Amino acid sequence: AQSVTQLDSHVSVSEGTPVLLRCNYSSSYSPSLFWYVQHPNKGLQLLLKYTSAATLVKGINGFEAEFKKSETSFHLTKPSAHMSDAAEYFCVVSDLFFGNEKLTFGTGTRLTIIP
Amino acid sequence: DVKVTQSSRYLVKRTGEKVFLECVQDMDHENMFWYRQDPGLGLRLIYFSYDVKMKEKGDIPEGYSVSREKKERFSLILESASTNQTSMYLCASSSRRRGDEKLFFGSGTQLSVL
Repeated sequence: AQSVTQLDSHVSVSEGTPVLLRCNYSSSYSPSLFWYVQHPNKGLQLLLKYTSAATLVKGINGFEAEFKKSETSFHLTKPSAHMSDAAEYFCVVSDLFFGNEKLTFGTGTRLTIIP
Repeated sequence: DVKVTQSSRYLVKRTGEKVFLECVQDMDHENMFWYRQDPGLGLRLIYFSYDVKMKEKGDIPEGYSVSREKKERFSLILESASTNQTSMYLCASSSRRRGDEKLFFGSGTQLSVL
């Protein structure tokens, strides 16, 4: 069975400062991991994904995440926050189900940007 | 542009009513999913389907059923709506191709059961 834990339900940072959203996972297999973003009143959008290639993954809008197997972590970072980054972020782990992918979502981290 | 369309953005129903939530995708995706999203709980998988006429229970299937008669359409059915089914419902689809697991989401249906 797989699971994902987002360690913070809410993170606030000032504009221009670094962003860190934390995620830990458990999986029976070599996992695929994702970050999705949901802006207010909009659908979810894929930010980035890790699928056993490079451990440092770059996504859209300047975000990146590092897969650390020894720590079972997949934290999302950005060097400098922008007001448009205010949204809810979901860490997701995938597992195989009859040869197909089944995704498990974390409970989400709401990111607030302080002007 | 790829699209997952959910038939209603807002829906208000009464306890005991039968409710249909419709989802259509135009990407010829094999996989389709229904999630519900609640504050503090993230997205929870209700049902999913990997092919026409196939369905599998997700993590919280109780009180729901689904129908997939055509590849592009995946319907969620609440047989007898209850107040604890008030939630945001999200439909998603994805390709079955390995390495292409990206989910495409609809904009959601906010269901209120009174």
